[in-house]
Amino acid sequence: SQTIHQWPATLVQPVGSPLSLECTVEGTSNPNLYWYRQAAGRGLQLLFYSVGIGQISSEVPQNLSASRPQDRQFILSSKKLLLSDSGFYLCAWNRLGTDTQYFGPGTRLTVL
Amino acid sequence: RKEVEQDPGPFNVPEGATVAFNCTYSNSASQSFFWYRQDCRKEPKLLMSVYSSGNEDGRFTAQLNRASQYISLLIRDSKLSDSATYLCVVPPPGGQNFVFGPGTRLSVLP
Repeated sequence: SQTIHQWPATLVQPVGSPLSLECTVEGTSNPNLYWYRQAAGRGLQLLFYSVGIGQISSEVPQNLSASRPQDRQFILSSKKLLLSDSGFYLCAWNRLGTDTQYFGPGTRLTVL
Repeated sequence: RKEVEQDPGPFNVPEGATVAFNCTYSNSASQSFFWYRQDCRKEPKLLMSVYSSGNEDGRFTAQLNRASQYISLLIRDSKLSDSATYLCVVPPPGGQNFVFGPGTRLSVLP
């Protein structure tokens, strides 16, 4: 069966510090991968998606970036965090050719 | 018009009640639709998928109205454990930029 992991589960970072969140998927090959952010009390906002190694599409302008160094690894980064980067970051995947997305447990980021 | 809109809620219903939420979408070419539930401070989890006119799974029924471009979720005999936020998702035809609705919050009261 397929599983998706995210870490860390929670993170408190000062403004201006760097960020690296990691997501890995097990039990499948060549998944589509996604990063979403959910601000407190708000809906999910798609940040990035990837259909393959090194292929990243960005949905919104921001100070975040994403990378996919391996088939089942997706990383979200920032060089300098802003207060507005606080939120619940969710990684998701779906099998190529299907529409059903499955989510990881998320990382709750607080920028102070 | 936003791509995906949902009843804002919150819906506060007593145990045993029947409750329905609506979700409207703007892309008439959309072919598949999903309902997810999200518990507080947790990740969304797939509840139901809808590819044709509707789908039923126990107490949950999803119906699709292509002419009016909305899908609904009906919950019968509500349980306390049904309390959550329900998200409507409309994948883009041939694309990857999935659009989630803002969610409808349901509270089932004892």
